[in-house]
Amino acid sequence: GENVEQHPSTLSVQEGDSAVIKCTYSDSASNYFPWYKQELGKRPQLIIDIRSNVGEKKDQRIAVTLNKTAKHFSLHITETQPEDSAVYFCAAIDSGAGSYQLTFGKGTKLSVIP
Amino acid sequence: NAGVMQNPRHLVRRRGQEARLRCSPMKGHSHVYWYRQLPEEGLKFMVYLQKENIIDESGMPKERFSAEFPKEGPSILRIQQVVRGDSAAYFCASSMGPVGEQFFGPGTRLTVL
Repeated sequence: GENVEQHPSTLSVQEGDSAVIKCTYSDSASNYFPWYKQELGKRPQLIIDIRSNVGEKKDQRIAVTLNKTAKHFSLHITETQPEDSAVYFCAAIDSGAGSYQLTFGKGTKLSVIP
Repeated sequence: NAGVMQNPRHLVRRRGQEARLRCSPMKGHSHVYWYRQLPEEGLKFMVYLQKENIIDESGMPKERFSAEFPKEGPSILRIQQVVRGDSAAYFCASSMGPVGEQFFGPGTRLTVL
């Protein structure tokens, strides 16, 4: 099955700086890679996603890059703000056997220091 | 368009009791997924259902846990004879198709005393 590794587990940045979170996956058949933000006690919310036929996607201050050859993808947040503080999870779809379960990384706790 | 609904939001059970968690997907969504989240950890897939069918239950413990998504009504995750290790947040998600954005519900936080 799919295995997703996520680094770092915690990340502190000064307000206005950039934050980068990296993930690797094991299943070369995976073709959909979402990123979720989860605030304390709340539900995970999708912030950006990318499919395997695209190398990069950007949405305002957030961007995701995908390297299929190396099987890794990264989340980039620029001009960080205190409200970006949360736990971020990367995930990959394991499309084997007709199921589409999300396999999540263990999360990165991002703290943006004002 | 209401989002994914889950109830109850908090559930307290004593060891040996049963827990029933409900999930109503977003309107128009026929794919439902259940995930479990332990404190300070990521979400772990449990089961994937479409209406009246279990598609993949590879993440669900073989004993005490069951799930259903009937033709009418919400999806239900049932945990029989709960143990302390079942304490976790249980999230369901729904999607319109099999590979696409999964929208998460607010979760049910189960505490087993």
